[in-house]
Amino acid sequence: EDQVTQSPEALRLQEGESSSLNCSYTVSGLRGLFWYRQDPGKGPEFLFTLYSAGEEKEKERLKATLTKKESFLHITAPKPEDSATYLCAAVAQGNKLVFGAGTILRVKS
Amino acid sequence: DAGVIQSPRHEVTEMGQEVTLRCKPISGHDYLFWYRQTMMRGLELLIYFNNNVPIDDSGMPEDRFSAKMPNASFSTLKIQPSEPRDSAVYFCASSLGGARDTQYFGPGTRLTVL
Repeated sequence: EDQVTQSPEALRLQEGESSSLNCSYTVSGLRGLFWYRQDPGKGPEFLFTLYSAGEEKEKERLKATLTKKESFLHITAPKPEDSATYLCAAVAQGNKLVFGAGTILRVKS
Repeated sequence: DAGVIQSPRHEVTEMGQEVTLRCKPISGHDYLFWYRQTMMRGLELLIYFNNNVPIDDSGMPEDRFSAKMPNASFSTLKIQPSEPRDSAVYFCASSLGGARDTQYFGPGTRLTVL
C-alpha cells in the first residue's frame, strides 16, 4: 500500500534556529514528490516538486531534497511567518497524490 | 487568474439533509480533484476528473457521495443524506497535467453536519 509518513508531527523553533522536516514514502515507482504549505483556514499552497533522487530545489529559506526513500525540507534561519503546516505528498499508482499527515511548524520570535 | 473558487466557504446543516459543494477550476486546467481533510485521516483524495470525465472515484466513501463535472468550468460534490461523520473541510484542486503536475487548491468548504 502506498504510504507517506512525516516527522515530527510538530516542531517548535526559535527564530533563526535551522532544522529539517522529514517525509518518508513507500510508493512503488515514485512519479513525483510534492511539498505544500498550509496556513490555518486555507488550502494547501504549492512549494516544490521533486522527480528524481538527488534532486534539490530552493526557495528563500526553504530547501527540499529527495532520496530513494525520503525527502527533507530544510528550513534555514526561520522567521515567525514560516509558521504553518507543511505537507508532503507522493504521486502513487493510479496517477493520484497520497498525502502525509503534515508537520506543524511554530517559529517564535 | 482568480485561482480555484469554491462555494460555500462554510456550510452548517442537519443530519439527513442534502449538501452540495461547488468548485470552479482554473481556466485551462484539464484535471479537477476533490479532497477531504479531517484531523483523523488528513487529506484524502475522493475523486478526480480529466476533461470532465470521472477517472477514479475509489476514494468516495459511500454511495451517499456523488460528484459531477457538467463542463470544464464547474464541478459539484453532493452528499445525500449527510451524516455527522461527514463533517470535514472539502477542497477542490485543479492541474494542467494530472497528479504529476502541480495541483492548485481552492480555499475549501468547511462542512459541519449536526
